Amino acid sequence: DTAVSQTPKYLVTQMGNDKSIKCEQNLGHDTMYWYKQDSKKFLKIMFSYNNKELIINETVPNRFSPKSPDKAHLNLHINSLELGDSAVYFCASSQDRGGMGTGELFFGEGSRLTVL
Amino acid sequence: SQKIEQNSEALNIQEGKTATLTCNYTNYSPAYLQWYRQDPGRGPVFLLLIRENEKEKRKERLKVTFDTTLKQSLFHITASQPADSATYLCALVSGGGADGLTFGKGTHLIIQP
Repeated sequence: DTAVSQTPKYLVTQMGNDKSIKCEQNLGHDTMYWYKQDSKKFLKIMFSYNNKELIINETVPNRFSPKSPDKAHLNLHINSLELGDSAVYFCASSQDRGGMGTGELFFGEGSRLTVL
Repeated sequence: SQKIEQNSEALNIQEGKTATLTCNYTNYSPAYLQWYRQDPGRGPVFLLLIRENEKEKRKERLKVTFDTTLKQSLFHITASQPADSATYLCALVSGGGADGLTFGKGTHLIIQP
């Protein structure tokens, strides 16, 4: 069984479109995250959710919005896509928040977004 | 500002030798430090965690050290194998616990047969 799964794996779209990436974890973890990995392979946190409550919101454009229907899901919605949004987006989960507990992250396989 | 620095250039090591990767940080007081492995086209995979009160942690052929005075962690792979070739990322969380994990840019390790 896949612990953290995200779909789609690849997404090619035009500028200005709106798209979503879905993420599900079956680990029973309390916290889920979205990370962005750019062309230089730098992995940067975007959001995290703990028990359906947003606890981190980094300085990302408000075109990006996380939505969590339940503890096992954290979807990423992106409006008015721009060329600079092209990247690989990783979903992750952990048992505990940030510096509490082990904080070990379990990552999905990534969703490569290409904006044309 | 807070920084995590890893040698982002490729590190070439001959098979069987020990590979040593470095992670330096500034303006952090981390409660613990983690190391991850990332293969091309895959998500990062957790390897080891070391706490601020621990000097060394081992797991099979892997060893991590953590020097909070030098603000440095070293990651060692002994008896390296070509299958160890990957990008290795270090990650920190601050004691406040609200910032998730911040990752370094990673070191691309190549083990040559």
